[in-house]
Amino acid sequence: DAMVIQNPRYQVTQFGKPVTLSCSQTLNHNVMYWYQQKSSQAPKLLFHYYDKDFNNEADTPDNFQSRRPNTSFCFLDIRSPGLGDAAMYLCATSKPPTGYTEAFFGQGTRLTVV
Amino acid sequence: AQSVTQLDSHVSVSEGTPVLLRCNYSSSYSPSLFWYVQHPNKGLQLLLKYTSAATLVKGINGFEAEFKKSETSFHLTKPSAHMSDAAEYFCVVSDITGNQFYFGTGTSLTVIP
Repeated sequence: DAMVIQNPRYQVTQFGKPVTLSCSQTLNHNVMYWYQQKSSQAPKLLFHYYDKDFNNEADTPDNFQSRRPNTSFCFLDIRSPGLGDAAMYLCATSKPPTGYTEAFFGQGTRLTVV
Repeated sequence: AQSVTQLDSHVSVSEGTPVLLRCNYSSSYSPSLFWYVQHPNKGLQLLLKYTSAATLVKGINGFEAEFKKSETSFHLTKPSAHMSDAAEYFCVVSDITGNQFYFGTGTSLTVIP
């Protein structure tokens, strides 16, 4: 089945040690998103790619970077994780421009910072 | 600008009784609206979506929602709650380009045996 796959499902990293989360999709969607979701909160958009065009949210910390080497893959790099970066990270895809296409979400990566 | 407001942060129902999760939206154009469900430590699963065809939208697992333009509402309902319905529910609106999705703050549904 076509889907959005995130690896790993659970990631433990040390304070200050760079970490990369990955997302792949078989839907051939133009847009890929990274969301951060803290406990009992709604997902917060960090950035998104429309094809190769990168769109950063204004309040996304510089500590968070992203790469999209091709249509299928997108990576989230956290350069120096702090305790406050512990969260669920969700990858999603969509295929505008109809405006009526939902976002498809992966299962998420739960990041723990120790 | 687009936004959604989920009127209840927590809803508790008994198993077998109806579920009502409320969502109001704000949009300057005819919106695209979605309901997602999230079980603990899982991603978001689409329950249903409104795409300006029928105002009463049927989704998975017996859920449905009615788009009411006059009330700017898109409430989620289910006739009979099941234990497996206990989860977090998000009402979402997309912008006119379909690129951006705006989330409500979520409603936590508890189902009492």
